[in-house]
Amino acid sequence: DQQVKQNSPSLSVQEGRISILNCDYTNSMFDYFLWYKKYPAEGPTFLISISSIKDKNEDGRFTVFLNKSAKHLSLHIVPSQPGDSAVYFCAVGAQKLVFGQGTRLTINP
Amino acid sequence: EAQVTQNPRYLITVTGKKLTVTCSQNMNHEYMSWYRQDPGLGLRQIYYSMNVEVTDKGDVPEGYKVSRKEKRNFPLILESPSPNQTSLYFCASSSGQGLTYEQYFGPGTRLTVT
Repeated sequence: DQQVKQNSPSLSVQEGRISILNCDYTNSMFDYFLWYKKYPAEGPTFLISISSIKDKNEDGRFTVFLNKSAKHLSLHIVPSQPGDSAVYFCAVGAQKLVFGQGTRLTINP
Repeated sequence: EAQVTQNPRYLITVTGKKLTVTCSQNMNHEYMSWYRQDPGLGLRQIYYSMNVEVTDKGDVPEGYKVSRKEKRNFPLILESPSPNQTSLYFCASSSGQGLTYEQYFGPGTRLTVT
């Protein structure tokens, strides 16, 4: 039973438009939420995070939204750039991190 | 440069032949962890360590061993590898000081067991 789900295995977006990646979780005890980005042949790198006391955190082109009642997390990238093409993992934590399956984002020129 | 290193990066081995994947970090991090990445399953935690001589099982520990004798090193040991352990493995570390969840990952080790 997966506690963290990213239901879209892949997403294709036009350069300059908004990319929205989604993540759902089941355990309301999770109190910290993160997004990692992974390029081929590299390890994941931390992108942005949010704690359960907030519903939004912004860092440049990246914004993470948290809807605790719906147990839903999303990452918005605006504007999308070709260098954003990567696999994105959401991760949620209480005592340890649990990762989603990942979404492959492709930004088309 | 702050980093997590893993060796080897690629390994092809046969069933039953013991192997060790090394992991080392130079950030003086207390927390270290091993993950495996499989298609459609994302990253799953194998083992983690909160500090020297303190290790605990993650979600998929079967068939793996770890040790934490020094703060910087956290090797992953497969005593008798099997084909279902063919995967991409990542080591990670974090400071554990309010940033427990922001982990730094190594570049990965791709293991094939035939």
